[in-house]
Amino acid sequence: EDQVTQSPEALRLQEGESSSLNCSYTVSGLRGLFWYRQDPGKGPEFLFTLYSAGEEKEKERLKATLTKKESFLHITAPKPEDSATYLCAPINNNDMRFGAGTRLTVKP
Amino acid sequence: DGGITQSPKYLFRKEGQNVTLSCEQNLNHDAMYWYRQDPGQGLRLIYYSQIVNDFQKGDIAEGYSVSREKKESFPLTVTSAQKNPTAFYLCASSSNRESNQPQHFGDGTRLSIL
Repeated sequence: EDQVTQSPEALRLQEGESSSLNCSYTVSGLRGLFWYRQDPGKGPEFLFTLYSAGEEKEKERLKATLTKKESFLHITAPKPEDSATYLCAPINNNDMRFGAGTRLTVKP
Repeated sequence: DGGITQSPKYLFRKEGQNVTLSCEQNLNHDAMYWYRQDPGQGLRLIYYSQIVNDFQKGDIAEGYSVSREKKESFPLTVTSAQKNPTAFYLCASSSNRESNQPQHFGDGTRLSIL
């Protein structure tokens, strides 16, 4: 059965303290992976699509990378406004399965 | 602005009552989806629709029903058969299901039991 695990469940950083979020998965026939950001009481907001191992995408302080079995979301010098839950969703054929997310808090 | 509109934002259900959650999109997307989100869990797929007048069960369809009479609209009914309906419900759409394009989400409806 396909499984998606995000770690850590929660992460507290000081402003400017860089770190990485992990998304590991056992998905047969992986065709890509999405990263989303979700603010409290809101729907997920699309961030990145990664389609092949070795691919990297960047947006402001965020950089997403992909291997065959996991993806990382690197956050460089985060700001308080980066506080949110980050969700990953590997794509298997036509199915997309979400992880439970990492809740990031960035303190000023 | 193009997007997905869900209403209401908050909804309360009485015992034995059916309630309907609205989802409208103006993105001209063919595919639409309903997810349920519970604390500490990933989004779980309830139903999806690839075209008008067609829809398929997702992983947790029991106690729910949908219709797709118009391309823009995909309402979800939470029936009295759903014994644990308290959750955050999210509607999404994508250009089509086969292209692996990202799904775009509405801002959700939070359903609670009275």
